[in-house]
Amino acid sequence: DIVLTQSPDSLAVSLGERATINCKSSQSVLYSFNNKTLLAWYQKKPGQPPKQLIYSASIRDFGVPDRFSGSGSGTDFTLTISSLQAEDVAVYYCQQYYGTPPAFGGGTKVEIK
Amino acid sequence: EVQLVESGGALVKPGGSLRLSCEASGFTFSNVWMSWVRQAPGKGLEWVGRIKRISDGGPTDYAAPVKGRFTISRDDSRDTLSLQMNSLKTEDTAVYYCTAGLGKSDTDYWGQGTLVTVSS
Repeated sequence: DIVLTQSPDSLAVSLGERATINCKSSQSVLYSFNNKTLLAWYQKKPGQPPKQLIYSASIRDFGVPDRFSGSGSGTDFTLTISSLQAEDVAVYYCQQYYGTPPAFGGGTKVEIK
Repeated sequence: EVQLVESGGALVKPGGSLRLSCEASGFTFSNVWMSWVRQAPGKGLEWVGRIKRISDGGPTDYAAPVKGRFTISRDDSRDTLSLQMNSLKTEDTAVYYCTAGLGKSDTDYWGQGTLVTVSS
C-alpha cells in the first residue's frame, strides 16, 4: 500500500502570511499512461464535508481561490496558501488515487497565530 | 448541480448491522466510480471502499479494516449507492461520506455525511 506522510502535524501562521504543507508518498503516484500525477488536496472544516482544492497535484478545482496552490512531482508534494485568511483555518489532507487503497495523509491543522 | 445525500446513520450495538444509502443527482450516476470515506471522532479521513461502473464489471475494493464485513453496491436505475455494514465494531463509529469521482480525482464531490455510532 502507498503511504502518505504529511508534515507538519499543525502550524500557526499570521493572517496574510504563507502556509506550507508537505506530503511525501512512499512511492511515485505518476500515472505514466497519461502522465498525470494522481494526488489531490482537501480542506476539512468542522461540521462540513471535505472540499477538494487541488487535483492532479497542481490543478486548482473550480471556485478555489488562487491563494491555494499545489506543486511537486514523483513522491514529494506541497500545498501552499500564499496569504492566509481567517476562513482558511481547517485541517488539510493529501490523498493519492494512484494505488488501491487510495489513502489519505494524516492531516495538517492550520491555525491563526 | 451535483448532489449526494446520505441516510441511514444510527446508533447500533457492537456486532449489529446497518445499511447506509446515498442518493445521487446532477450527473450520470452509472458512468461514475463511487466511494465511501469515513472520519472517526477526532481522527483523520479514512477511505472505506469503492465500486466501479457496471460497464467496468462493477468491481469493488475495500480497506483492510472493513473487508469481509462491509459490502458496497449500486443501483444505477435509482442513482443510489449503498453500504451494508455487518459485524459492526466500536471502532467503526464515524461520519460516513458518500463520494463521486467525476473525472478530476476519485473523490471530486462529497455528501454531507451520516453519523454511525457503535456502542453498547
